[in-house]
Amino acid sequence: EAGVTQSPTHLIKTRGQQATLRCSPISGHTSVYWYQQALGLGLQFLLWYDEGEERNRGNFPPRFSGRQFPNYSSELNVNALELEDSALYLCASSLAYPQPQHFGDGTRLSIL
Amino acid sequence: KNEVEQSPQNLTAQEGEFITINCSYSVGISALHWLQQHPGGGIVSLFMLSSGKKKHGRLIATINIQEKHSSLHITASHPRDSAVYICAVGGGATNKLIFGTGTLLAVQP
Repeated sequence: EAGVTQSPTHLIKTRGQQATLRCSPISGHTSVYWYQQALGLGLQFLLWYDEGEERNRGNFPPRFSGRQFPNYSSELNVNALELEDSALYLCASSLAYPQPQHFGDGTRLSIL
Repeated sequence: KNEVEQSPQNLTAQEGEFITINCSYSVGISALHWLQQHPGGGIVSLFMLSSGKKKHGRLIATINIQEKHSSLHITASHPRDSAVYICAVGGGATNKLIFGTGTLLAVQP
């Protein structure tokens, strides 16, 4: 069974640009979660999508947005990139709550 | 004060030692997760538990809901156990995980 896959592995952008990160959940999983792990900081919850709807979001500005597609894959979009957006972005998926979340390997976003 | 506190922050052990990592939380939860993160970032979910005790190989996780405390034990530790271990709690309709800052474990041969 394929795990959670994220693309790209690395992404380099400059300030002000827009970034799109992608996540494919484990087959059968309907929930997708996004987390940010900035250098020196712990994991922070960003967004939770379930059945195509945004169910909850963390304490992040509206520049961070996303969506979930009918096949349950998801995109995270970050607009007007700032230097502090440099981080590892992790995606996780699960069956309907409450089930363990399975994590992808992450996308490392670097802002120059 | 963080809602999820882990101790110790750093732990160095000799191969074969019994290791305990602790997690205390201050919020109401429906489940607690133990995660393992290796260098490079990949995260593996080790346990999700809401009561009692779970065991998987050399790993054991316990939780005491009344005391809002959980422990992760590693028996017969091995250098490949070296990683960051993260406690995360979640609950309610928000389904939001709140993470501890992690425990960096180094097991020396």
